[in-house]
Amino acid sequence: GNSVTQMEGPVTLSEEAFLTINCTYTATGYPSLFWYVQYPGEGLQLLLKATKADDKGSNKGFEATYRKETTSFHLEKGSVQVSDSAVYFCALSEGDYKLSFGAGTTVTVRA
Amino acid sequence: GAVVSQHPSRVICKSGTSVKIECRSLDFQATTMFWYRQFPKQSLMLMATSNEGSKATYEQGVEKDKFLINHASLTLSTLTVTSAHPEDSSFYICSARWPSGSDTQYFGPGTRLTVL
Repeated sequence: GNSVTQMEGPVTLSEEAFLTINCTYTATGYPSLFWYVQYPGEGLQLLLKATKADDKGSNKGFEATYRKETTSFHLEKGSVQVSDSAVYFCALSEGDYKLSFGAGTTVTVRA
Repeated sequence: GAVVSQHPSRVICKSGTSVKIECRSLDFQATTMFWYRQFPKQSLMLMATSNEGSKATYEQGVEKDKFLINHASLTLSTLTVTSAHPEDSSFYICSARWPSGSDTQYFGPGTRLTVL
């Protein structure tokens, strides 16, 4: 079956640092890949997505590239802010529109 | 756009009672909604897929008689936890797929259920 593995947290960074959260997946076909973000006290929000190999999703300074050869979708941001503190979930969807989530990575950015 | 609400945000109930949680799409119509359960510091686990006008599809291991799902309109799905017990205490989250041909889901803010 489908599964998503993302790096364990928590991750603590200083403002303006570079952030990378690794995500790899297992799927039988060609899934769509997502990053969702959950800010404290709020619901999940779609951060970005990519639907096919080599696609790059981007939003709010975050980027992730769909790498079929390495089955990865790593999330990156060049300069984080305190407001980026949240839990980040990698997820995939294949065929039946069901989402399979990774365990989530808690990111804390300190001023 | 694409806002999903849930009500209530928090509920505390006694063991043996039933609790209903509502999930509404506020500015769009959703033929498909999903219900998830999230344990502390863990990921979301899909419980069931709710389709407007038809029976819900439950994931393996989820008791359909305990977690009743009704999707009576294109903007409302409800989850009823029947005869709740302390082990049912959790964070329940719904989402709605939109547009209808898309694989993107929009999530509600979640409902914290505590069973005493």
